[in-house]
Amino acid sequence: GIQVEQSPPDLILQEGANSTLRCNFSDSVNNLQWFHQNPWGQLINLFYIPSGTKQNGRLSATTVATERYSLLYISSSQTTDSGVYFCAVDYSGGSNYKLTFGKGTLLTVNP
Amino acid sequence: NAGVTQTPKFQVLKTGQSMTLQCAQDMNHEYMSWYRQDPGMGLRLIHYSVGAGITDQGEVPNGYNVSRSTTEDFPLRLLSAAPSQTSVYFCASSFGGGRAQTQYFGPGTRLLVL
Repeated sequence: GIQVEQSPPDLILQEGANSTLRCNFSDSVNNLQWFHQNPWGQLINLFYIPSGTKQNGRLSATTVATERYSLLYISSSQTTDSGVYFCAVDYSGGSNYKLTFGKGTLLTVNP
Repeated sequence: NAGVTQTPKFQVLKTGQSMTLQCAQDMNHEYMSWYRQDPGMGLRLIHYSVGAGITDQGEVPNGYNVSRSTTEDFPLRLLSAAPSQTSVYFCASSFGGGRAQTQYFGPGTRLLVL
């Protein structure tokens, strides 16, 4: 099966700082999604981004499918950005509906 | 529009007991799935369904059963609970169309098996 690796595993920032989270995957994918899990456990979809770049406010994501990685950028971080960020991929060689998740990046934004 | 709902929020079971985790969505999504989340493991797919009457196994299906009699509901059954099934369980749904689309998650069910 496909391997999904996220880095860094942990990241601590001061409010206002910028950050880049990375997701590497070992094989071709049909799509890639980024999620944020807040400290209360709720999972929210941030981006559906099989390729290219998307932006939503202070967050943006870029997927370079040919090089098998995706980046999530967080600018001017806020304490509410704290939580775990997951990427998940839909593996081209597998079932159409099986998403494989990375282990996540734990982000802590201090005031 | 409630989105994806899960009940119960928290449950304690004894080894060998059975129970059903409920999941419902009101977005007319074709695709529904169950994940478990364990510390340091990310989310792992248990079972999924691409429509009423159609289910399939994910990465960690052993010990769990599912059925999908309606578009809205996708219950997860634990037949004989084991301590290894202590976890947080998430249900998710999305539109179909041949591939996994943007996933919407429920709030989760925390299960403790003693």
